[in-house]
Amino acid sequence: AQSVTQLDSHVSVSEGTPVLLRCNYSSSYSPSLFWYVQHPNKGLQLLLKYTSAATLVKGINGFEAEFKKSETSFHLTKPSAHMSDAAEYFCVVSVPSNDYKLSFGAGTTVTVRA
Amino acid sequence: DGGITQSPKYLFRKEGQNVTLSCEQNLNHDAMYWYRQDPGQGLRLIYYSQIVNDFQKGDIAEGYSVSREKKESFPLTVTSAQKNPTAFYLCASSMRATETYEQYFGPGTRLTVT
Repeated sequence: AQSVTQLDSHVSVSEGTPVLLRCNYSSSYSPSLFWYVQHPNKGLQLLLKYTSAATLVKGINGFEAEFKKSETSFHLTKPSAHMSDAAEYFCVVSVPSNDYKLSFGAGTTVTVRA
Repeated sequence: DGGITQSPKYLFRKEGQNVTLSCEQNLNHDAMYWYRQDPGQGLRLIYYSQIVNDFQKGDIAEGYSVSREKKESFPLTVTSAQKNPTAFYLCASSMRATETYEQYFGPGTRLTVT
């Protein structure tokens, strides 16, 4: 079975400063990993995905994430936060043995201060 | 405009009534999914369907039912047997039900049962 842990339930940053959202996963197989963003009362939007290609993955809106197998981590970063980045972010894992399911982290709420 | 539509956006029902949430996609995706989201929690899978006329229970299927008569449509019925139905419901689809295909989400339906 796979699982995912988002290490921070809430992150607060100032506009223009870097954002780091931490995610660790556990999996017996090579995982696929995703980051999704959800704005209030909206559906989820895919930011980026890792599927065993390059370990540094670039996504939309300036976000990127690095897959580190030795650390079982997939942290999401952005060099400079914008007010529009205030949202909830979900780290998600999927593995070949469970081909229909995504396992979601509990989410990290990002607040951006002006 | 391709995507997933869910209707209605807000739904109010009295306890003891069944209610059906609509989900339609025009992405030509084979797989469709229903998730439930509660405050402070990640998404939990209710039902999924990999092909027309076939569907499987997810992690929290009790009190819910689905049908998949058309590729484009995957309605969810919340029955009176569901003990705590008030939640935000999200529909998703993916090209195939495998780990390398990301899921695309609809805007959600917020159901309130009183």
